[in-house]
Amino acid sequence: KQEVTQIPAALSVPEGENLVLNCSFTDSAIYNLQWFRQDPGKGLTSLLLIQSSQREQTSGRLNASLDKSSGRSTLYIAASQPGDSATYLCVGRDSARQLTFGSGTQLTVLP
Amino acid sequence: EAQVTQNPRYLITVTGKKLTVTCSQNMNHEYMSWYRQDPGLGLRQIYYSMNVEVTDKGDVPEGYKVSRKEKRNFPLILESPSPNQTSLYFCASSLGSSPGGEGPQHFGDGTRLSIL
Repeated sequence: KQEVTQIPAALSVPEGENLVLNCSFTDSAIYNLQWFRQDPGKGLTSLLLIQSSQREQTSGRLNASLDKSSGRSTLYIAASQPGDSATYLCVGRDSARQLTFGSGTQLTVLP
Repeated sequence: EAQVTQNPRYLITVTGKKLTVTCSQNMNHEYMSWYRQDPGLGLRQIYYSMNVEVTDKGDVPEGYKVSRKEKRNFPLILESPSPNQTSLYFCASSLGSSPGGEGPQHFGDGTRLSIL
């Protein structure tokens, strides 16, 4: 069964810094990987989806990469802002459409 | 607007009183699923449905039922709720397939259930 791990569990950075969130998964037969943000008490907002055939996706200040051979995905956030403060989750989907969630990285961007 | 709608958003009830949390999506998605989110345990899948009349157990199905009579609706039923089902619940949907692969998951805003 797929396992998804996110490191670090929490991260605090000053505003303006570029940062990288890490996600690792055990099954390289991953079908796709999706990054979400979750604000306290709120739902999950989709940020980026990377299909297994893709290496990266970009949206604004966000860039997500996928390396199936090493079992890793990274989410790069450029020029971080206080509004980026949230919990970031990576979610792997397998060929049976099962989703496995990482435990999340709680990001705090200090003004 | 494309969305997944859950109702109610908040519910406080008592042990044993049957309740239903509704989930509806307007994107003609084939795949729908339910999750619960608990501190320290992350999101865990309760049930999922590949299409109408097709449902399967996820990781934590005990104490829950679902039905998929129509493509757009996927209600979660707690026949006899217990305090250990106090949690934040999310419904999600996705398109079965699209050019280039499956579409992204879309989540509802969540339903916070408290079972006393």
